[in-house]
Amino acid sequence: AQSVAQPEDQVNVAEGNPLTVKCTYSVSGNPYLFWYVQYPNRGLQFLLKYITGDNLVKGSYGFEAEFNKSQTSFHLKKPSALVSDSALYFCAVRGTSSGNTPLVFGKGTRLSVIA
Amino acid sequence: DAGITQSPRHKVTETGTPVTLRCHQTENHRYMYWYRQDPGHGLRLIHYSYGVKDTDKGEVSDGYSVSRSKTEDFLLTLESATSSQTSVYFCAISGQGDSGNTIYFGEGSWLTVV
Repeated sequence: AQSVAQPEDQVNVAEGNPLTVKCTYSVSGNPYLFWYVQYPNRGLQFLLKYITGDNLVKGSYGFEAEFNKSQTSFHLKKPSALVSDSALYFCAVRGTSSGNTPLVFGKGTRLSVIA
Repeated sequence: DAGITQSPRHKVTETGTPVTLRCHQTENHRYMYWYRQDPGHGLRLIHYSYGVKDTDKGEVSDGYSVSRSKTEDFLLTLESATSSQTSVYFCAISGQGDSGNTIYFGEGSWLTVV
């Protein structure tokens, strides 16, 4: 079975400071990992994904994520937070042995960037 | 935007009435999904389709049915709406290929059952 945990419901960070949104996962086989962002009253927007290769993945809006196989983690990071980054962030996973089955999502982490 | 249109975008309906939500895509993608989003639960899969007339259940499929008669359309039906089905419903699509395919989401349908 596949599962994703986002241990923090809410993350607060000051504008200009680095931010981290945490994600851990459990899958059969190797993972395909995804991050999405949701702004109020909108659908989810794809940010980045890890398939294979370099453990540091760069995505949209200056976000990046680091895949750590030993810790089964895929934390989302940004060096300098903007107020406009305030949103709901979702981590998702699919195992490589799962075929094209639907993604399993975490419960989301609300990021609040304070000016 | 991924070429996904959901309709209606907002609906208020009464308990016990049938409701159908429509998802239309212009990407010719094989896979289509219906998720619901609720506070404290994140996104939960209701049903998905892997081709015309090929569908399967997700983790919260009770009370819902789906149909896909054309590649571009995926319908979600609440046969007899209940207050517990008040939620935001998202359609999503992904293409043919391996497990690394990205899923793209529509803008959501807000359903209130009174």
